[in-house]
Amino acid sequence: TQLLEQSPQFLSIQEGENLTVYCNSSSVFSSLQWYRQEPGEGPVLLVTVVTGGEVKKLKRLTFQFGDARKDSSLHITAAQPGDTGLYLCAGAVYNQGGKLIFGQGTELSVKP
Amino acid sequence: SAVISQKPSRDICQRGTSLTIQCQVDSQVTMMFWYRQQPGQSLTLIATANQGSEATYESGFVIDKFPISRPNLTFSTLTVSNLSPEDSSIYLCSVGGAGELFFGEGSRLTVL
Repeated sequence: TQLLEQSPQFLSIQEGENLTVYCNSSSVFSSLQWYRQEPGEGPVLLVTVVTGGEVKKLKRLTFQFGDARKDSSLHITAAQPGDTGLYLCAGAVYNQGGKLIFGQGTELSVKP
Repeated sequence: SAVISQKPSRDICQRGTSLTIQCQVDSQVTMMFWYRQQPGQSLTLIATANQGSEATYESGFVIDKFPISRPNLTFSTLTVSNLSPEDSSIYLCSVGGAGELFFGEGSRLTVL
């Protein structure tokens, strides 16, 4: 069974602080996605990383895919209250037609 | 991306009854996925629905409990049968390819 371990599960920080969320697995994924979910809504895709070692930036968010394509991180610089939400990583399983394995999620709260 | 509409957005049901959730996509898609998100938890894949064939269920989910229809390339339904309080969750429809998924807003079910 392929698993994605996501940490931390909960994170409460002050506005302006930096934070990093990690996703780790013993399995190799063809790609890895990060989603953000707000209450009452479905997850929204933030980014997809495909190549080992790849780094993508989305404004204050930096996403990295591990060299071996087994792990990923999300770093937020100078967090703002609008960043509050549930962050989910998801790995695409090889040769299974788009099937994703989701991490447990990180509930982020940014206080003003 | 795709626009995905789910109905109902929320419902409260009595134990022993059934609820059917509808998912409408604004474009034709080959595969549709149904996920469950239990309170405070991440997403678990229930089944993959392909048009013209029976749905493929993940371990722990069976057709008698979660029958799925896929009558055409833009529509699917998920029925949660013989409801119990443990079925209280958000049910999410999604579509995508190459590992990237786009989600509906979810259907929040509460079973009394």
